[in-house]
Amino acid sequence: AAGVIQSPRHLIKEKRETATLKCYPIPRHDTVYWYQQGPGQDPQFLISFYEKMQSDKGSIPDRFSAQQFSDYHSELNMSSLELGDSALYFCASSRRQGRSIIYFGPGTRLTVT
Amino acid sequence: GDSVTQMEGPVTLSEEAFLTINCTYTATGYPSLFWYVQYPGEGLQLLLKATKADDKGSNKGFEATYRKETTSFHLEKGSVQVSDSAVYFCALSLPQNNAGNMLTFGGGTRLMVKP
Repeated sequence: AAGVIQSPRHLIKEKRETATLKCYPIPRHDTVYWYQQGPGQDPQFLISFYEKMQSDKGSIPDRFSAQQFSDYHSELNMSSLELGDSALYFCASSRRQGRSIIYFGPGTRLTVT
Repeated sequence: GDSVTQMEGPVTLSEEAFLTINCTYTATGYPSLFWYVQYPGEGLQLLLKATKADDKGSNKGFEATYRKETTSFHLEKGSVQVSDSAVYFCALSLPQNNAGNMLTFGGGTRLMVKP
């Protein structure tokens, strides 16, 4: 079965640079979520989209922005990177109706040096 | 707000030992409950779920029962294997009017199984 696809899987950036992470949800899933997992931490919700509109916002810094496109893929844009942004970034997708299961992608490991 | 509390790790067991990882939650409404597993260097995989009180989720020998009276969803396995070594996350979700089913995670419990 198709899963959530994330690219790139690994990314190394320097401080103050920008990064773009991409996510391709499971086909027919209309909701995309972004989570950040710091070293030894649990995943923290950043932002979600439903039908290309932002639907909820968590602890996402103002330096970050995201959007969902017409083909339902999503991109997380991160600017003015800081050392503390080094983390695993997970994208997840689900169908919105009812108590549907959220499926996670393999994550993008971002290292800021 | 909604929250999940799970026992701190690491939990170290010998192969074939019995496993319990405690998880309790606080939520307004009636959440769905999940256990996700994260193997070293990998993403989060759904292990099992339960959507209403007294439901039992099970998968790969793991079980957890949704206990509304104690607001708990403890994970158990009768005989662990070395390959079960991973970090286990308890999570809840509540249908949000505008946000789908956003997950709230516990802190994770690292399980180490020794041969």
